Amino acid sequence: EVQLVESGGGLVQPGRSLRLSCAASGFTFDDYAMHWVRQAPGKGLEWVSGISWNSGSIGYADSVKGRFTISRDNAKNSLYLQMNSLRAEDTALYYCAKDLGSTTVRAIDYWGQGTLVTVSS
Amino acid sequence: QSALTQPRSVSGSPGQSVTISCTGTSSDVGGYNYVSWYQQHPGKAPKLMIYDVSKRPSGVPDRFSGSKSGNTASLTISGLQAEDEADYYCCSYAGSYDVVFGGGTKLTVL
Repeated sequence: EVQLVESGGGLVQPGRSLRLSCAASGFTFDDYAMHWVRQAPGKGLEWVSGISWNSGSIGYADSVKGRFTISRDNAKNSLYLQMNSLRAEDTALYYCAKDLGSTTVRAIDYWGQGTLVTVSS
Repeated sequence: QSALTQPRSVSGSPGQSVTISCTGTSSDVGGYNYVSWYQQHPGKAPKLMIYDVSKRPSGVPDRFSGSKSGNTASLTISGLQAEDEADYYCCSYAGSYDVVFGGGTKLTVL
């Protein structure tokens, strides 16, 4: 059974940093691309960032480019999101998500339950 | 990276069919056959319903179907059931490892 378990969310002040982690199990982690997708309270889904199986291809939404960094450790079956210079508008539930493909972005077939990030003073 | 355009809401009676549209550009929907659709019930994680424009994952009822024409993709749900009431999101690859979601459509089963 595929499991994606996010951690690292919490309350943080504007301008500060936070690192999200996602522990993956139930599939061959290094065979698939992975993503972070967020959802602000009462709002729609927003793709944040994606990374190919070997970290050779990485993409970011314009809203986080230059502030967030995605990475993965295939030896630890883990995905990460380093979030710097956080803003109030980054407040959201952050989902770790698995892609159907390894290099090309096709679709997200599994989602975690999310970790809540609240940016507020 | 502009969001794909979906109607805010659609509705239908049990047994009827509804179609949700998703309009993008030649740089996303029109340029790639990597359009997917997700169903999200309140308080739950999204669920993949359609991928590669028209393919259904195992376990998704064949009442759900997807298509694409030009820069517009569509999700059709036939034989509406009460449990289909949810939010639906389209998503497309947009090149250069970029992904864009639609704003979401709330489906109400009357």
